[in-house]
Amino acid sequence: QQQVKQSPQSLIVQKGGISIINCAYENTAFDYFPWYQQFPGKGPALLIAIRPDVSEKKEGRFTISFNKSAKQFSLHIMDSQPGDSATYFCAAAGESGGSYIPTFGRGTSLIVHP
Amino acid sequence: GAGVSQSPSNKVTEKGKDVELRCDPISGHTALYWYRQSLGQGLEFLIYFQGNSAPDKSGLPSDRFSAERTGGSVSTLTIQRTQQEDSAVYLCASSIDRGSYEQYFGPGTRLTVT
Repeated sequence: QQQVKQSPQSLIVQKGGISIINCAYENTAFDYFPWYQQFPGKGPALLIAIRPDVSEKKEGRFTISFNKSAKQFSLHIMDSQPGDSATYFCAAAGESGGSYIPTFGRGTSLIVHP
Repeated sequence: GAGVSQSPSNKVTEKGKDVELRCDPISGHTALYWYRQSLGQGLEFLIYFQGNSAPDKSGLPSDRFSAERTGGSVSTLTIQRTQQEDSAVYLCASSIDRGSYEQYFGPGTRLTVT
């Protein structure tokens, strides 16, 4: 059972454009929603995260939008740059039986053309 | 400070052999996670250690997989009688404690079973 569904699987954007990646979750116990960025040959790195008490969080060119009623959240990358080309993973986490194990989406491969 | 380190970075082994993968978490981090990342797939949870508590092994795919964490620090993931389907990147992550979802990932070990 895939608890976090991420789309699209791949995304191509022109430099300066907006990249949008969407995720949907099922478990209402989730209370932490991070996005990770992964470059080839590297481990994922935390990019930005949100708690469900806010609907939006912005850090530089990266924004998370969160819709609690729809159980959806998305990552917006404004003014996308070739250096943003990477794989992006959303995740959702919440305590379950004393464990804090995030559930990850399958990832989105972003390519930003110069 | 130093991040999460993993060794070896690459491992090629023959089908049927045993392999050991090592993870050194960030000093002071009590939570440690192992994930498997197959080509084009997301992060598959394997096992979670929290301090001195019994590990959460719910993600281990078979009894050929095991892991231990000595002294609450270094962890070793062991795969016995490796199969070709075990070929993947094995990622380790740590977080400061059970209540923190912010994970720091190592660079991974790429395992190839021939």
